[in-house]
Amino acid sequence: GQSLEQPSEVTAVEGAIVQINCTYQTSGFYGLSWYQQHDGGAPTFLSYNGLDGLEETGRFSSFLSRSDSYGYLLLQELQMKDSASYFCAVKGTNAGKSTFGDGTTLTVKP
Amino acid sequence: KAGVTQTPRYLIKTRGQQVTLSCSPISGHRSVSWYQQTPGQGLQFLFEYFSETQRNKGNFPGRFSGRQFSNSRSEMNVSTLELGDSALYLCASSVLAGDYEQFFGPGTRLTVL
Repeated sequence: GQSLEQPSEVTAVEGAIVQINCTYQTSGFYGLSWYQQHDGGAPTFLSYNGLDGLEETGRFSSFLSRSDSYGYLLLQELQMKDSASYFCAVKGTNAGKSTFGDGTTLTVKP
Repeated sequence: KAGVTQTPRYLIKTRGQQVTLSCSPISGHRSVSWYQQTPGQGLQFLFEYFSETQRNKGNFPGRFSGRQFSNSRSEMNVSTLELGDSALYLCASSVLAGDYEQFFGPGTRLTVL
């Protein structure tokens, strides 16, 4: 099976940097994805790491280390609109099932 | 390009009834996945369809079923509804099965009384 663990809540101030960690247990997967979901909205794709290392997309960066079974999403120059839930997700190679973490609720304060 | 659409957006049913939810993927997308989202449970994978075939299934009872049509539209059916089935049901589409980037619809909020 597959399982992913994320912190349930993170709080930061506007302009700061925050890191949301994701540790996983899986027999095999293609890569680690990150999604953002605002309250009442649909999840939207943020980034994907198929290989180890850092991927940067504007203010957001994501990192994967397969040897450590660990990844993270880094949000820089936080804005109030970044307040949302963030989910890490994997698609397993064995049966192709998608597994999402329980999500991290980020609250950005002024 | 229009996004993923789901109908209905809200639904209220009573225990024992059945319900059918519909999902229209983005034009050109052939893979459709369904998820159940409840507070504190995150997104739970239900199943994935590609080219009218179910490719994968999550750990849900047989009361949950689905199908995909030749135009890639998909339906999900839940029979003999239980109170615990109250949730947001999300549909996501991608170009191909296994794509890491999925595009989610707004969801159908199902309430079982």
